[in-house]
Amino acid sequence: AQRVTQPEKLLSVFKGAPVELKCNYSYSGSPELFWYVQYSRQRLQLLLRHISRESIKGFTADLNKGETSFHLKKPFAQEEDSAMYYCASEEGGSQGNLIFGKGTKLSVKP
Amino acid sequence: DVKVTQSSRYLVKRTGEKVFLECVQDMDHENMFWYRQDPGLGLRLIYFSYDVKMKEKGDIPEGYSVSREKKERFSLILESASTNQTSMYLCASRSGTSGDTQYFGPGTRLTVL
Repeated sequence: AQRVTQPEKLLSVFKGAPVELKCNYSYSGSPELFWYVQYSRQRLQLLLRHISRESIKGFTADLNKGETSFHLKKPFAQEEDSAMYYCASEEGGSQGNLIFGKGTKLSVKP
Repeated sequence: DVKVTQSSRYLVKRTGEKVFLECVQDMDHENMFWYRQDPGLGLRLIYFSYDVKMKEKGDIPEGYSVSREKKERFSLILESASTNQTSMYLCASRSGTSGDTQYFGPGTRLTVL
């Protein structure tokens, strides 16, 4: 079965430090990949997706097919980046189902 | 702006009660989903539907059923609530186009006593 793995449950960094949230996927094809974010007391929302090649709130994510990874990066973390982050992969051959990782809680300390 | 709404933000029920959670989306999306969100376990898919009256089991369908009589509405039913179904329930919708965004509702915090 297709899987999305986020190895870190919790990541804690200081403000201004670089941050990398790891994500690995198991789909052998060319998956559509996403990062979703949930800030405290807010609904889960899209942060960015691979297909758009965009940078949102200073975050970028690069697809590495050789390593089957889609790590999320930001060069200088801000306190407002503290949130729960979920990596997701579109299920191959599905009607639109996304496979989510278990999530990484990012804590940015002042 | 896509809106996914859920009928309740907080719900408290007793063991054995029948519980209905309702979700409505206003973007004419084909696909709708029900997840539960628990600390350390992430999002777990309960059921999804890709068309009216169609449903597919997700990863943890036991103890749940769903209904989709209209395209915009997707209901989750707990036939006989149990304490281990205490959780945050998230509804979501998405078009059938690859790469499109999935939109989530605000969630329903269900407590079963």
